[in-house]
Amino acid sequence: RKEVEQDPGPFNVPEGATVAFNCTYSNSASQSFFWYRQDCRKEPKLLMSVYSSGNEDGRFTAQLNRASQYISLLIRDSKLSDSATYLCVVNYDYKLSFGAGTTVTVRA
Amino acid sequence: NAGVTQTPKFRVLKTGQSMTLLCAQDMNHEYMYWYRQDPGMGLRLIHYSVGEGTTAKGEVPDGYNVSRLKKQNFLLGLESAAPSQTSVYFCASSREAGGGSPLHFGNGTRLTVT
Repeated sequence: RKEVEQDPGPFNVPEGATVAFNCTYSNSASQSFFWYRQDCRKEPKLLMSVYSSGNEDGRFTAQLNRASQYISLLIRDSKLSDSATYLCVVNYDYKLSFGAGTTVTVRA
Repeated sequence: NAGVTQTPKFRVLKTGQSMTLLCAQDMNHEYMYWYRQDPGMGLRLIHYSVGEGTTAKGEVPDGYNVSRLKKQNFLLGLESAAPSQTSVYFCASSREAGGGSPLHFGNGTRLTVT
């Protein structure tokens, strides 16, 4: 079983729509959680950390559900520039495990 | 401020050839990493370093070697390339370990082994 699993998508949404997707992790002792964004043929970049109480960064909202072992990312009012692959990253004991990514395509 | 710079950007090797990928960072980060990214899989850690002169094995170290003689540089070597090593390689650095600070990635090396 993979340590971090994501629905690969793609999620095709129109501009202005809301899109949400989850990531599940297998290690219940995981300590910290992140979303990275990766544009096509580019390097990953940190989008946001995910806190236990949930957190927002502009149009992006991240949630953590430790009981069910998943994290989620919601994008409101999608922009064309949000088209990317979103990588879920989970930390346990200083080891980071990456999901394979969820691809989002925002169309005009 | 260049951040993390990887060279080369692209390379094609024949089976059995060797090469070295260079990673340089100018952020004075202690931690450096080499990952590979393959379709349908998350980034997998090959080797990492927690400081100058140190290296350690990651999740998929076989067929690779690394060196960190200077704090700012982290080299990844393939002694005898195999087609299974066809991948996109990313170097990264961070100020803290384990997600305590963001990973800063280089822009990748696309390696094809024929």
